[in-house]
Amino acid sequence: EIVLTQSPATLSLSPGERATLSCRASESVRSRYLAWFQQRPGQAPRLLIYGASNRATGIPDRFSGSGSGTDFTLTISRLEPEDFAVYYCQQYGTSPRTFGQGTKVEIK
Amino acid sequence: QVQLLESGPGLVKPSETLSLTCTVSGGSLTGYYWSWIRQPPGKGLEWVGYMYYSGDINYTPSLKSRVTISVDTSKNQFSLKLSSVTAADTAVYYCARIPRLGQPRELTFDIWGQGTMVTVSS
Repeated sequence: EIVLTQSPATLSLSPGERATLSCRASESVRSRYLAWFQQRPGQAPRLLIYGASNRATGIPDRFSGSGSGTDFTLTISRLEPEDFAVYYCQQYGTSPRTFGQGTKVEIK
Repeated sequence: QVQLLESGPGLVKPSETLSLTCTVSGGSLTGYYWSWIRQPPGKGLEWVGYMYYSGDINYTPSLKSRVTISVDTSKNQFSLKLSSVTAADTAVYYCARIPRLGQPRELTFDIWGQGTMVTVSS
C-alpha cells in the first residue's frame, strides 16, 4: 500500500502567517489523485483540495494545493483563526486508499 | 443538499459484531460509491471500504475478512458490519460519499457524516 508521510507533525504559527504543509508518498500517486482534508476538534473531516490542486466547493482561495508524483503541498496563504486544525492528505489512486498521519496547525 | 447520518449502538462487546447504518438525505444513492472510514481516539483516519450502489465492493485488506458493506436503495441507506470486534476496533466511524469517475470531485470522499463513536468493551 502507498504510505503517506506528512511533515511537520505540528506547525506553530500566528494568524496572518503563511502555512506550508508537506505530504510525501512512498510511490507515485496515480493521476494526481491526492486530496487534503481539514479536521477541527470534534468535527468530521472536510474536503479542501482534490486532484492535488482543485479547491472543493466553498473552500476559500487562501487554500491551495500543488505537486505531483510523490511530493505534494498544501499552502494556506494567510491563516485565519478558524484554520487552526489538523490537516490530512489522502491518496485515492491506488487501493487501499490511505491517509497521512496528519499535521496539526496550532496557534503560536 | 446531501447529508449523511450514522446510527447504531455506541457500545459493543468483544467478539460480537458491530453494526452501523448511514442514512442519506437530500439525494439518492444511485450513481455514487458509499464508504466507511474510522478514526481511533486521538489517532488518524483509516479507510474501511466502499460499495457502489449497484454492487461493486472494495475493502481495506487488513479488515477484509471481517467487514461487510451493503446498500439498500429503497431506504436510501447503507450499512457496515464488522465481526469479531476487539478493543482495537474502538473508534469514531464516519460514512462518506464518493462520486464516480467523470463526476465533479470524482473518486474523493466529498461529503461526510458527523461520525458515531463505537466503544468495544465488556
